[in-house]
Amino acid sequence: AQKITQTQPGMFVQEKEAVTLDCTYDTSDPSYGLFWYKQPSSGEMIFLIYQGSYDQQNATEGRYSLNFQKARKSANLVISASQLGDSAMYFCAMREGATGRRALTFGSGTRLQVQP
Amino acid sequence: DTEVTQTPKHLVMGMTNKKSLKCEQHMGHRAMYWYKQKAKKPPELMFVYSYEKLSINESVPSRFSPECPNSSLLNLHLHALQPEDSALYLCASSQGLAGSYNEQFFGPGTRLTVL
Repeated sequence: AQKITQTQPGMFVQEKEAVTLDCTYDTSDPSYGLFWYKQPSSGEMIFLIYQGSYDQQNATEGRYSLNFQKARKSANLVISASQLGDSAMYFCAMREGATGRRALTFGSGTRLQVQP
Repeated sequence: DTEVTQTPKHLVMGMTNKKSLKCEQHMGHRAMYWYKQKAKKPPELMFVYSYEKLSINESVPSRFSPECPNSSLLNLHLHALQPEDSALYLCASSQGLAGSYNEQFFGPGTRLTVL
């Protein structure tokens, strides 16, 4: 079974608008972390934001926020005020802390294109 | 210094060649990782080293041979590769393996083409 599911292969957004990238996950480990990475065409993986399974509040980092709904097992990334430089591939990833593999498992990714 | 470096950036090799990919970090991290990423796909874990010992091998073919000579360096030795091994190879490091939060810092990757 897929541990991380990203159902949007591609998304378009107008510059300066907000966009939500979906991510659902599956784990029985009570301790886990959810990460979002951005990968431009150059190939580097850029860490954006992290949410821990025990965190009470949704994570925020500048224009990035994570809409964490634990009961629904979803961890959607919200990018506010989109910029042209946000055009890239976005990966949701999970790390299981207690019983699972001690490395990131990635979703299939969402390609975001910001239009002027 | 929060950087992971990888050399070379690009590599073209024949199926009979032997080559090595190198990864280096100076953040004092004790866990290092190799991922393989095919075009338009997510990264797939290959190997994990913890305190210079191989911790995870994701059933990678023996033509890929990892080596961790010290806590700052991670190599991936390549021999008798196939054209389907052409991919972006990403190295990453983290403070350790324990716990759910261990941000992995990624290098820029090596784009490998096997002819």
